[in-house]
Amino acid sequence: AQTIHQWPVAEIKAVGSPLSLGCTIKGKSSPNLYWYWQATGGTLQQLFYSITVGQVESVVQLNLSASRPKDDQFILSTEKLLLSHSGFYLCAWSLGTGGYAEQFFGPGTRLTVL
Amino acid sequence: QQKVQQSPESLIVPEGGMASLNCTSSDRNVDYFWWYRQHSGKSPKMLMSIFSNGEKEEGRFTVHLNKASLHTSLHIRDSQPSDSALYLCAAMNYNQGKLIFGQGTKLSIKP
Repeated sequence: AQTIHQWPVAEIKAVGSPLSLGCTIKGKSSPNLYWYWQATGGTLQQLFYSITVGQVESVVQLNLSASRPKDDQFILSTEKLLLSHSGFYLCAWSLGTGGYAEQFFGPGTRLTVL
Repeated sequence: QQKVQQSPESLIVPEGGMASLNCTSSDRNVDYFWWYRQHSGKSPKMLMSIFSNGEKEEGRFTVHLNKASLHTSLHIRDSQPSDSALYLCAAMNYNQGKLIFGQGTKLSIKP
């Protein structure tokens, strides 16, 4: 069975500090991977997606970057956090093309920037 | 402006009652709709999807789609306290190849 892990579970960081969030999918080969951001009580906003190792497409510019160093790993990072980066970060995976395939979400990372 | 609009923003339904949630896309380049449910502090879980005109039923949940108006609705009958959650509607933009989410409807079921 496939499993998706995100780390850390929660993070409290200072404005201007760096950030790295991770996501690992086990049990699926060559999944499509996505990063989403959700403001408290708000809608989900897709940030990045990747269909293969080493290839990442940016959807929204939020002073964040993403990388896919391995087939089962997706990393979200920034060198300088802003207050506006606070929120719930969700990694998701799907098989098949675009939004026609169901996206399965990970447990998420709650980020607080102070 | 939100391209996928959900209404109402929040809804209170008595236990055992019917909850009706609405979603409309102003983006004409969409052709597939998803409904996700997100309990507080948790990640979204897919409830139902629809791409054909008409209705689809799964247990207590029924979803309708009108492709001409790009309007979908979700109906939950015999609502349970465990149905209390944020319900997110998403539309697939086939030009951009991405899901666009609405702002959600917060559903509360009162025992």
